[in-house]
Amino acid sequence: DTEVTQTPKHLVMGMTNKKSLKCEQHMGHRAMYWYKQKAKKPPELMFVYSYEKLSINESVPSRFSPECPNSSLLNLHLHALQPEDSALYLCASRPNTGELFFGEGSRLTVL
Amino acid sequence: TQLLEQSPQFLSIQEGENLTVYCNSSSVFSSLQWYRQEPGEGPVLLVTVVTGGEVKKLKRLTFQFGDARKDSSLHITAAQPGDTGLYLCAGAGYSTLTFGKGTMLLVSP
Repeated sequence: DTEVTQTPKHLVMGMTNKKSLKCEQHMGHRAMYWYKQKAKKPPELMFVYSYEKLSINESVPSRFSPECPNSSLLNLHLHALQPEDSALYLCASRPNTGELFFGEGSRLTVL
Repeated sequence: TQLLEQSPQFLSIQEGENLTVYCNSSSVFSSLQWYRQEPGEGPVLLVTVVTGGEVKKLKRLTFQFGDARKDSSLHITAAQPGDTGLYLCAGAGYSTLTFGKGTMLLVSP
């Protein structure tokens, strides 16, 4: 299994909603990442988890709350988002060899 | 902060043409990776280059890593419409990658 699976693929939410994005990998990678990507731009790092502990938070607003329940799962909880938060949210995992394995992303639209 | 400059930012060519994408930095990276991202998908790793001066070939794609490990290039021979996508270079640090701004390639039939 060499996949990173993200759900949902598409999400539309209002500014008062609470929703979550989910990410799962079974490759035994101990580093997992959340990236945000706007159209035709490179991915921007949001959070890094290493061995289920948050190791990097790139000054992300608190309306984004990551969670790593175990070594295979990574969640991103969303609350009170703004329209400018609409983007493709990418999850990735990373083995010791250094390359990133990305999921297909969750396309988020905030109305 | 390590920065990666990628050029060109956008390239529109006809099928069969050759092209080169450049990735430059003032910093030294332990390795450099190239990804391709198609619309609606996540980036997919194409290659990792590690050794200064290294050249790797992947079918019609040729990747070079500069001798000083600060720059890299991607050359595509006889581009095809299936090569269309966003090409990203990324320099590897201890726990993160630094991405270039990407090159959007459009290959028309």
